[in-house]
Order: sequence, then C-alpha cells, then structure tokens
Amino acid sequence: EAEVAQSPRYKITEKSQAVAFWCDPISGHATLYWYRQILGQGPELLVQFQDESVVDDSQLPKDRFSAERLKGVDSTLKIQPAELGDSAMYLCASSFGGPYGYTFGSGTRLTVV
Amino acid sequence: AQTVTQSQPEMSVQEAETVTLSCTYDTSESDYYLFWYKQPPSRQMILVIRQEAYKQQNATENRFSVNFQKAAKSFSLKISDSQLGDAAMYFCAYRSNYGQNFVFGPGTRLSVLP
Repeated sequence: EAEVAQSPRYKITEKSQAVAFWCDPISGHATLYWYRQILGQGPELLVQFQDESVVDDSQLPKDRFSAERLKGVDSTLKIQPAELGDSAMYLCASSFGGPYGYTFGSGTRLTVV
Repeated sequence: AQTVTQSQPEMSVQEAETVTLSCTYDTSESDYYLFWYKQPPSRQMILVIRQEAYKQQNATENRFSVNFQKAAKSFSLKISDSQLGDAAMYFCAYRSNYGQNFVFGPGTRLSVLP
C-alpha cells in the first residue's frame, strides 16, 4: 500500500537553530499538506500545496517557517530559528483532490530544547 | 470559520462493550464532509469512517457507525464490540466542499480495558 514518507521520524534541536523536515507524498497526488499537531491537540493546517503552488499558508508563521515543493513532488518544511513553542508533531498528508483519498504520513516529532 | 468540538478528552470501555464518542461542529455551509480519524501510538492518522452531509443515512463500517444529526450539528461515533486494538486518540474532522484541508477537533483518548 502506498504511503506518505516523512523524515526524520524524530528531531531534537536547540532553540535558535534551524531545522528541516521532508515529505514525499503518494505518487500522483497533486495536493500536499503540512499540519502541526501540538501534544494533546488536533492537527492544524500550516500550508497547502497544489502541485508546486501554495494554495493556503494563512496559518504559517512566515517570519520563521518556510515551505517549498519545487517540482510539485516532495516538499520541505523549514523552521529558522526554532523556538521552544515549536515542539510538536509535524504531519504531512497528500491527496489527489476531491473529498477522499487523503493519506497522512507518520509525522516528525520535533523537540526544541 | 468552522470549528469542531470534542467534549470528552478521555473515555474508557471494557473489551467487547460499546462506546460512543461525541463530536459537535459549527459551520454556515450546507455541503460538507465529516470524518473520524484514529491515531494509535504509532502516530499515523487512519481514516475510520466518513459521512457526506447531503446523505441522511448514517455511515457504517463494520463495528464503527455514526449518528449524524445535521440540524444539531452533531456527529458521534459508536464503536461496537470494542477490541484492544481500538485504543487510540480519535479525532473528529470537518472538511468543506469548497476546500480540501481538514478542521480537526481536539481529540478523545480511548482506552480499552481487558
């Protein structure tokens, strides 16, 4: 069964350092999403891509977060500089469009110390 | 903006018994989709069941069924014959017909007692 691949699985970084996460969606899925899930809460959308274009980044803290999907396939989410409050699970998901066929990756758990 | 509320942070159920998880949502839209997702300790979100708002019939998937009350904006999940593997965080989620991202509730942690 096709999966959304994410790496690394875990990341510990010091405050003020830069950190990056990678996501490889299911082949053929044009839409890619990054969600942030704070412990004990539901995921919240950070950014949505349609192919290589950003569709929604209204909740992305653009002073420190950036996301790209250069060739419309895999994607990178970067935080610079990391803050203690950024500790969370970062989930990637992809879909081919429409209301169904939405698949989540296993996430990257970030701890900022 | 749409919001999703899950008023039960934690629930427990005896193995083989039935449990119902509550979810309410707020929207001004008439056409949308509702989902229940399960997130086990392994962390990957897994779709449990989905409901189209235009369908009056409640969705059912094996031991999982929903009670969808559109007027009340309520979408509860019933798990019958609970199994140890059902233990997880359960998230109720809303998806507009006009957008593709989810709005998730805060989740309910379900424990299954042997």
